[in-house]
Amino acid sequence: DAGVIQSPRHEVTEMGQEVTLRCKPISGHNSLFWYRQTMMRGLELLIYFNNNVPIDDSGMPEDRFSAKMPNASFSTLKIQPSEPRDSAVYFCASSLVTGGQSGYGYTFGSGTRLTIV
Amino acid sequence: GENVEQHPSTLSVQEGDSAVIKCTYSDSASNYFPWYKQELGKGPQLIIDIRSNVGEKKDQRIAVTLNKTAKHFSLHITETQPEDSAVYFCAASKGTGGGNKLTFGTGTQLKVEL
Repeated sequence: DAGVIQSPRHEVTEMGQEVTLRCKPISGHNSLFWYRQTMMRGLELLIYFNNNVPIDDSGMPEDRFSAKMPNASFSTLKIQPSEPRDSAVYFCASSLVTGGQSGYGYTFGSGTRLTIV
Repeated sequence: GENVEQHPSTLSVQEGDSAVIKCTYSDSASNYFPWYKQELGKGPQLIIDIRSNVGEKKDQRIAVTLNKTAKHFSLHITETQPEDSAVYFCAASKGTGGGNKLTFGTGTQLKVEL
């Protein structure tokens, strides 16, 4: 398996432009998570999906951020309009939850380094 | 919500020495505690995990201990090697009851010196 695939790896765009980050989870995984990583705030959960349904988006900073998962093999995170403070590394992770009460580890993608100028 | 604290933020050891990273969590309902290693320019990678029904788990040079009463868990790396240099994150989850959502610590930059 190629693992979790994110694109693009790097993105530099001007303030005010729309940014779309893409993620392909591991085939067969049923949970998908979007995290943002900065030096100041560490790894922050933005939103997660179970079986393609958004479960908790309380970490999404504001209405400028939106995420979709139209099918089990694809998800997008969109920022519109983008601002310099959105600059960070954005990670997508997926997991297979097979039942029970205990947790399951994630597989992370390599991330998208986003710079808003 | 869950809060995970991690110490130290940086750790420097000599090759061959042991390294210990400690984490505490706030939610007594948490039952799953993974550790991730992040190398420069890469995403975090799961290296070991422990569930609340056991107190210790070992995998070669890596071990994790859990004290549910005190709500803390630790990562132990023995016989450290230069390739162990990376940022290590602890995390906690309430399992499927909490949506399998992980809350991460702030990370420990481990440097193994020759």
